[in-house]
Amino acid sequence: AQKITQTQPGMFVQEKEAVTLDCTYDTSDQSYGLFWYKQPSSGEMIFLIYQGSYDEQNATEGRYSLNFQKARKSANLVISASQLGDSAMYFCAMREGVLTTSGTYKYIFGTGTRLKVLA
Amino acid sequence: NAGVTQTPKFRVLKTGQSMTLLCAQDMNHEYMYWYRQDPGMGLRLIHYSVGEGTTAKGEVPDGYNVSRLKKQNFLLGLESAAPSQTSVYFCASSYSFGTARGQYFGPGTRLTVL
Repeated sequence: AQKITQTQPGMFVQEKEAVTLDCTYDTSDQSYGLFWYKQPSSGEMIFLIYQGSYDEQNATEGRYSLNFQKARKSANLVISASQLGDSAMYFCAMREGVLTTSGTYKYIFGTGTRLKVLA
Repeated sequence: NAGVTQTPKFRVLKTGQSMTLLCAQDMNHEYMYWYRQDPGMGLRLIHYSVGEGTTAKGEVPDGYNVSRLKKQNFLLGLESAAPSQTSVYFCASSYSFGTARGQYFGPGTRLTVL
């Protein structure tokens, strides 16, 4: 079953504007983590921001913030003051389970949103 | 400090051939992971390791084997390659479970199976 949903395959934003990338998730675990990664055209995956399920405040990292709405099971990424270098694929991911040899650990990625920043 | 490196960067195999992808990290991370990325499907976890000498299955382990003989290395093997294994393979490592630092990814290996 799909557990991370990114409904926007592509987005455009004007340079210096803010943009919100949507992510919804589904889990029955009480303890889980939510991540956002950026993948530029060069192909590498770059970690941006993390939100734990018990964190009461929304995570922020520089121009990135995570709008965490637990009851709605959403973890949207907000990029403020967009820059041309922000053009990339953005992936939402969720970690659930326990990282042991039992194989219960899950780290699931969404299908991504391609963001294009316009000059 | 090279971070996470992967060898090779590109490879073309014929169906039935075998190969090993090497992942190395110099950050002294305990946890290492192998993913595959296919168009329109995001990344999927193949296998992971919680420490030297340990491995566990992820979401899509069939057709792959792994080994973690040394803490810094995590090998992904394909014993008999199939066209369905054409993909981009990413290795990653992390400092600890559930870390707020996320995972550190290698540059990827693009594998084509004919």
